[in-house]
Amino acid sequence: SAVISQKPSRDICQRGTSLTIQCQVDSQVTMMFWYRQQPGQSLTLIATANQGSEATYESGFVIDKFPISRPNLTFSTLTVSNMSPEDSSIYLCSARASSGQETQYFGPGTRLLVL
Amino acid sequence: SQQGEEDPQALSIQEGENATMNCSYKTSINNLQWYRQNSGRGLVHLILIRSNEREKHSGRLRVTLDTSKKSSSLLITASRAADTASYFCAGSAAGNTPLVFGKGTRLSVIA
Repeated sequence: SAVISQKPSRDICQRGTSLTIQCQVDSQVTMMFWYRQQPGQSLTLIATANQGSEATYESGFVIDKFPISRPNLTFSTLTVSNMSPEDSSIYLCSARASSGQETQYFGPGTRLLVL
Repeated sequence: SQQGEEDPQALSIQEGENATMNCSYKTSINNLQWYRQNSGRGLVHLILIRSNEREKHSGRLRVTLDTSKKSSSLLITASRAADTASYFCAGSAAGNTPLVFGKGTRLSVIA
């Protein structure tokens, strides 16, 4: 299994600013993902974080708004840029231990409120 | 886009009763995973069922999968107040594709 931590756990931000969320996994993992969960909704995949290359974004999400880094096999960051109140959500990091592993684990999430 | 739909969207039962939640999905999957989320917190992995499996048990949980109908169900037996949470199904296609989530069922177990 993989234990995932995220920082910060929550934040309140002003419109127009940016926030970087960190995700740390306790073991090397092949696959890392970022999801968004808007209030009262289910999870929506933002992107797959690729180690050493650009992230793969889902439809509706772009790199300028959600730049992602993944410098190694245990760490990734998601930045929410130029925030607006519509970005208020829980952002969850997720990982799969290896390419043969099917179980996908989740971090505790970062609760973001944009004023 | 959502992989599937959970049914019902909300369910309220008495402690000790069984709770059944259904999930239908749209595209072919390699496996289906069920998660629990307590209010505003991270997701706890409950059970994974592969496309070549029909039923799986884990403690008070029983999951079934019908690939011909593209549906799955999660049964929680002898429910407890602590089972109150949102439950999500999520499907993964073959290879390294990430999970795509259904809308979830909010379960309330009343003591």
